[in-house]
Amino acid sequence: GAVVSQHPSRVICKSGTSVKIECRSLDFQATTMFWYRQFPKQSLMLMATSNEGSKATYEQGVEKDKFLINHASLTLSTLTVTSAHPEDSSFYICSARGRTREGNEQFFGPGTRLTVL
Amino acid sequence: QKEVEQDPGPLSVPEGAIVSLNCTYSNSAFQYFMWYRQYSRKGPELLMYTYSSGNKEDGRFTAQVDKSSKYISLFIRDSQPSDSATYLCAMTGAGSYQLTFGKGTKLSVIP
Repeated sequence: GAVVSQHPSRVICKSGTSVKIECRSLDFQATTMFWYRQFPKQSLMLMATSNEGSKATYEQGVEKDKFLINHASLTLSTLTVTSAHPEDSSFYICSARGRTREGNEQFFGPGTRLTVL
Repeated sequence: QKEVEQDPGPLSVPEGAIVSLNCTYSNSAFQYFMWYRQYSRKGPELLMYTYSSGNKEDGRFTAQVDKSSKYISLFIRDSQPSDSATYLCAMTGAGSYQLTFGKGTKLSVIP
């Protein structure tokens, strides 16, 4: 299947700092990328949808000034958590959708575990 | 009523058993149905992808969709300890790429 990578896999930071998470589609061009967060024993909650070259669309309740998303190329999207606080600690997962041999399915990255102290 | 309902389990079965996982949904616009497997602290992995009603088989996995009942199932035959994971159903409508997920069912296959 198509491969999506995320970096870093785990990050621990102090409260008030900013953290950047990268999401890459390794063997296909991702026309659309999605960012999710997942709390323990909960399902994935969509935060935002980004299309290459355009502004991200945020879900209701997600602060766009706090969670900055950039999708500058067909293989890379970044999520920056600005001025992170302990309540932002979560598992952040990206997914990518594009033309692959499987069709137009959505493929997920391995996730980034963010811990804000 | 939530758009997608999925029993969170946990579900524990002996090795070799047939596992049945299910989701119900309320939005009749959903046409594409997926099952993902998620191991602890990992991203979801796409297992099965089906369109509209019917069955789809891939190895030990069979996905069924009954749109008239708004009910989807994933069957795992000859379950293995390596199948122990959380299984998430997901669905979307035509022209939409946003997935609506169930909460996930945690499965444990006991050797």
